[in-house]
Amino acid sequence: GAGVSQSPSNKVTEKGKDVELRCDPISGHTALYWYRQSLGQGLEFLIYFQGNSAPDKSGLPSDRFSAERTGGSVSTLTIQRTQQEDSAVYLCASSQTGRQPQHFGDGTRLSIL
Amino acid sequence: AQTVTQSQPEMSVQEAETVTLSCTYDTSESDYYLFWYKQPPSRQMILVIRQEAYKQQNATENRFSVNFQKAAKSFSLKISDSQLGDAAMYFCAYRTGPGNTPLVFGKGTRLSVIA
Repeated sequence: GAGVSQSPSNKVTEKGKDVELRCDPISGHTALYWYRQSLGQGLEFLIYFQGNSAPDKSGLPSDRFSAERTGGSVSTLTIQRTQQEDSAVYLCASSQTGRQPQHFGDGTRLSIL
Repeated sequence: AQTVTQSQPEMSVQEAETVTLSCTYDTSESDYYLFWYKQPPSRQMILVIRQEAYKQQNATENRFSVNFQKAAKSFSLKISDSQLGDAAMYFCAYRTGPGNTPLVFGKGTRLSVIA
């Protein structure tokens, strides 16, 4: 079966540009999470969606970051006016019920020049 | 705030030997889950093993086992008969239960396996 799919795999952009990162979760998984992994660091929670509930945005580092999840499936993480400190690997995960583990995608490596 | 601490930034082990990776966590919750994830250079986070806090028995998955000391808030990972393919970053993670909640990760331990 298909796992969590993220695109693009790598993204290089200039400072100040907007970027969109996409996550396609495992079919049937109700929860979707975005994490950020800066160089040499662990994963930092950004935002998560659970079914039709309002997303938990408590991890977003600034108002330049936003995310949507359309139709309870695909999610897009948008970073506006990118800064060099936004350079990181952005990982998406999904899970079924609360007692099931999260399954991760391969991530998007974002580089801001 | 919930935190996860991995005190060993790097570890190495000889092939076929046993290695233990340390993890401590801080929480006031009673219902939670603990995980070890492996991240090879491919970047994908691979679940190695998980432990429910309400279970006293330590989880095992083939060559991987944990030593869960709830009172001490310690959750170490033991890898037996280490193989070259075990070389990776290992992250300890925690989340509260029972619903879907985000994971809190430690900073990771880089494990090298020496042939």
